[in-house]
Amino acid sequence: QKEVEQDPGPLSVPEGAIVSLNCTYSNSAFQYFMWYRQYSRKGPELLMYTYSSGNKEDGRFTAQVDKSSKYISLFIRDSQPSDSATYLCAPGGSYIPTFGRGTSLIVHP
Amino acid sequence: NAGVMQNPRHLVRRRGQEARLRCSPMKGHSHVYWYRQLPEEGLKFMVYLQKENIIDESGMPKERFSAEFPKEGPSILRIQQVVRGDSAAYFCASSPGDYNEQFFGPGTRLTVL
Repeated sequence: QKEVEQDPGPLSVPEGAIVSLNCTYSNSAFQYFMWYRQYSRKGPELLMYTYSSGNKEDGRFTAQVDKSSKYISLFIRDSQPSDSATYLCAPGGSYIPTFGRGTSLIVHP
Repeated sequence: NAGVMQNPRHLVRRRGQEARLRCSPMKGHSHVYWYRQLPEEGLKFMVYLQKENIIDESGMPKERFSAEFPKEGPSILRIQQVVRGDSAAYFCASSPGDYNEQFFGPGTRLTVL
């Protein structure tokens, strides 16, 4: 079993939809949780960073962490075509986060 | 406020040649990380450096690969005697310290002919 699991997709949704991206992990030592967005042929861009269980909101994005279930989610409200990218979850317990393989999201007009 | 810079953005080498990839961290950041990304795969950690020190190189192949982060100048990832399997995107990230979010550069795409 991989330490971090993500469905690679692609996930295709219409513009304006609420998107739910999910990630599971196996290492209970993970203490912080990040989500990155990566456009094609670009470097990953940090979207969200949180330490605790619960929800963290930033604009249209909400990160949700459930440490008891080892489950991480990223919700995108009012999705836009510009949100089309690969989303990587990256939990970590030390200075090196463990990256998921990423979920490809396509938002079509 | 420049972000993480990497050069070259694209690098083509023939088998057996050397590849040198450079990374300049964000201003104020003293920690540098190198990752490799293959198509259809996630980011794989290679090495973590601070100025003049290698902190963790557990993800780096023992042979042909080396990394440095000198007191002055960029961090360098060096691949000697490249093989076709080294073709990948190599990303550098920096952070201001441990347990902090990492900021990535645009990557260097290495193609080995």
